[in-house]
Amino acid sequence: DAGVIQSPRHEVTEMGQEVTLRCKPISGHDYLFWYRQTMMRGLELLIYFNNNVPIDDSGMPEDRFSAKMPNASFSTLKIQPSEPRDSAVYFCASSFLRAYEQYFGPGTRLTVT
Amino acid sequence: DQQVKQNSPSLSVQEGRISILNCDYTNSMFDYFLWYKKYPAEGPTFLISISSIKDKNEDGRFTVFLNKSAKHLSLHIVPSQPGDSAVYFCAASEEGAQKLVFGQGTRLTINP
Repeated sequence: DAGVIQSPRHEVTEMGQEVTLRCKPISGHDYLFWYRQTMMRGLELLIYFNNNVPIDDSGMPEDRFSAKMPNASFSTLKIQPSEPRDSAVYFCASSFLRAYEQYFGPGTRLTVT
Repeated sequence: DQQVKQNSPSLSVQEGRISILNCDYTNSMFDYFLWYKKYPAEGPTFLISISSIKDKNEDGRFTVFLNKSAKHLSLHIVPSQPGDSAVYFCAASEEGAQKLVFGQGTRLTINP
């Protein structure tokens, strides 16, 4: 298996622009997680899905952030409009049956200028 | 409110010696703890875990210790090797909760 796939790997955009991050989980996994990594707060859970249904979005910072999972093999995290403080590395992870052993993608480094 | 804290941002250890990474938590409902390892430009990978019913779990060179009364866990790496240089994240989960709470991470550097 190719593992969790994320695209793009790097994204540089200007403040106010819309940003869409993409994730393909490992085939057969039923949980999908979106995280943001910053120096100050480490890895923060933004939202997670179970069988394509959003279960907990309490970590989503504000209404500018939205996430979807239209099917078992694809998810998006959208930021609209983007702000410089959104600059971070965003990780997608997936797991099977339980959250403990999550498999992470390589991340998307987002820079908002 | 940081429920899982790794107070040492970085640690430097001589090759062959023991590396000890520490983690504190505040939520008494946590019952499962994990360590993840992260290399640059890669996602974190699962390393080792421990249930709250145990106080020690060992896997090769890696041992995790849990002190529930102190709400503290540690990861011991013996002997340390250059390939162990990475960022280590501590994580915890409540019983029945299908999500992990991560700490800020500790960057471990193993010097030859």
